[in-house]
Amino acid sequence: AQKITQTQPGMFVQEKEAVTLDCTYDTSDPSYGLFWYKQPSSGEMIFLIYQGSYDQQNATEGRYSLNFQKARKSANLVISASQLGDSAMYFCAMRTSGSRLTFGEGTQLTVNP
Amino acid sequence: EADIYQTPRYLVIGTGKKITLECSQTMGHDKMYWYQQDPGMELHLIHYSYGVNSTEKGDLSSESTVSRIRTEHFPLTLESARPSHTSQYLCASSGGMTGELFFGEGSRLTVL
Repeated sequence: AQKITQTQPGMFVQEKEAVTLDCTYDTSDPSYGLFWYKQPSSGEMIFLIYQGSYDQQNATEGRYSLNFQKARKSANLVISASQLGDSAMYFCAMRTSGSRLTFGEGTQLTVNP
Repeated sequence: EADIYQTPRYLVIGTGKKITLECSQTMGHDKMYWYQQDPGMELHLIHYSYGVNSTEKGDLSSESTVSRIRTEHFPLTLESARPSHTSQYLCASSGGMTGELFFGEGSRLTVL
């Protein structure tokens, strides 16, 4: 069975600092994809970044990077130079065979001025 | 920018009413999904479809039903709403190599 675990219900960071949101996963499927989504208080889900299980390099998208450690089954999201607009719920998700995504419990990030 | 639309965004109704949440996408994606999410909680897959006339139940049992008569349209129906159905319902589609989901803005349902 596939499982995503986010152990940080809430995180706080000062504006302009970097923050790491943790995500661990469990799957026996050798081919999988890992995603991070942002959900502001308005409720929509915004795709941030993707990492494939066979990708050799860590994914980066602007201020977002994914610290992929395959042996440890972790896929942490790093947000550099935090902005007030980064305050939101962040979800880690995994896709294995069948195209369905399984989501973690989420981490509420608060950026303080 | 993703082209997937949900209506209504907000709905407050009384117990026993029949409701339909609409979801349409203009990206030509074969795969579509409905997730249920309580405030501040994780998303649970309740229905999915891999193409026209194909629908399956997801991981979380739901009293709702779905249909997929056209590729672009994936409505969700509750025949008799109850307060326990109060939640946010998120529609999504996927069609790319990575399997990325494109989400609609969500429908927030409150049943009194």
